[in-house]
Amino acid sequence: DAKTTQPPSMDCAEGRAANLPCNHSTISGNEYVYWYRQIHSQGPQYIIHGLKNNETNEMASLIITEDRKSSTLILPHATLRDTAVYYCIVRATQGGSEKLVFGKGTKLTVNP
Amino acid sequence: DTGVSQNPRHKITKRGQNVTFRCDPISEHNRLYWYRQTLGQGPEFLTYFQNEAQLEKSRLLSDRFSAERPKGSFSTLEIQRTEQGDSAMYLCASSLVTGRRTDTQYFGPGTRLTVL
Repeated sequence: DAKTTQPPSMDCAEGRAANLPCNHSTISGNEYVYWYRQIHSQGPQYIIHGLKNNETNEMASLIITEDRKSSTLILPHATLRDTAVYYCIVRATQGGSEKLVFGKGTKLTVNP
Repeated sequence: DTGVSQNPRHKITKRGQNVTFRCDPISEHNRLYWYRQTLGQGPEFLTYFQNEAQLEKSRLLSDRFSAERPKGSFSTLEIQRTEQGDSAMYLCASSLVTGRRTDTQYFGPGTRLTVL
């Protein structure tokens, strides 16, 4: 079973920031938080991952709370092409399970 | 394009037939994963290889399913005696493991199987 909880759906206006929350209250010290998204009928696309520090790349920012029990993915200026299902996944470093365990994710709809 | 590629992209078959899918990982990636995704659900892990060795198999991988990665490069997933319940998107991902760092998996576009 997935170790994360996400809202099933969210809406965002085009050009505004999209903030997608994820709860992972049982996360272990050696587990990373990964975010992927899946646009309709395509394979999942890697977005970002982090352990305990906030991370930023060209796609998004990841904010992880100090206790690591929750995180937020931020798309700073959402576009219509960001409409997708967003998955938050916790995954151990080498030595733990190697597979990704997906939940149902959050369906983000960006509206014009 | 240097991403993960999968062939065919779509496959329609009749119940009872055998099907084979191919995955070509990103060049020099030593790990290759197979996942299955049914409508409305997230992808579910099936199996993974490190080089040519198959290291983990899910209980979802019944004895009708077999996966190979004979030379540590491309992989094939075969389903024998297909059933309507096998209809799904089959996803392949690859990653590069170096030292003790966790690897990031990059997915292909998937093969959509429809069993009539």
